[in-house]
Amino acid sequence: TQLLEQSPQFLSIQEGENLTVYCNSSSVFSSLQWYRQEPGEGPVLLVTVVTGGEVKKLKRLTFQFGDARKDSSLHITAAQPGDTGLYLCAGDNTGKLIFGQGTTLQVKP
Amino acid sequence: KAGVTQTPRYLIKTRGQQVTLSCSPISGHRSVSWYQQTPGQGLQFLFEYFSETQRNKGNFPGRFSGRQFSNSRSEMNVSTLELGDSALYLCASSLASGGPHEQYFGPGTRLTVT
Repeated sequence: TQLLEQSPQFLSIQEGENLTVYCNSSSVFSSLQWYRQEPGEGPVLLVTVVTGGEVKKLKRLTFQFGDARKDSSLHITAAQPGDTGLYLCAGDNTGKLIFGQGTTLQVKP
Repeated sequence: KAGVTQTPRYLIKTRGQQVTLSCSPISGHRSVSWYQQTPGQGLQFLFEYFSETQRNKGNFPGRFSGRQFSNSRSEMNVSTLELGDSALYLCASSLASGGPHEQYFGPGTRLTVT
């Protein structure tokens, strides 16, 4: 069974701080996606990484896919209250997405 | 372009009953996937339909079934409901099946089984 472990599960920080969320697996994924979900809504795709070692930037968010395509990280610089939400990583290997448990981020003003 | 719509948004059912949830994908999207989201298990893949055919299936009992119509709209059915079926059911649509295709999620149907 493929599993994706996300850490930390919960994160509460002050506005302006930096943070990193990790997504790890013992399995290799052909691609990995990061989503953000707000209460009462479905997840919204932030990024897809496909190549081992790939780094993608989306404004203050930096995503990295591990060289072996087993792990990924999401780094947020100077977090803002609008970044508050549930962050989910999801790996694709067999045509179906395997999701991590998620990281709940709260950014306090 | 209209997003993914799911109906109903909220549903309360009793143990033993059955329920049907509906999902209308983004226009032009032919793949619809269903997920169950619970606080304990997180987001779990149920199944994916593409061009009216089930392409992938997750590890759920046969009480969970689905179908897709020629207009790409999809329904999922849960029979003989159990308390543990209480969850947010999400559907997602994408242009094609498999691979790192961008999936667009609907707002979900919140099912409560009493």
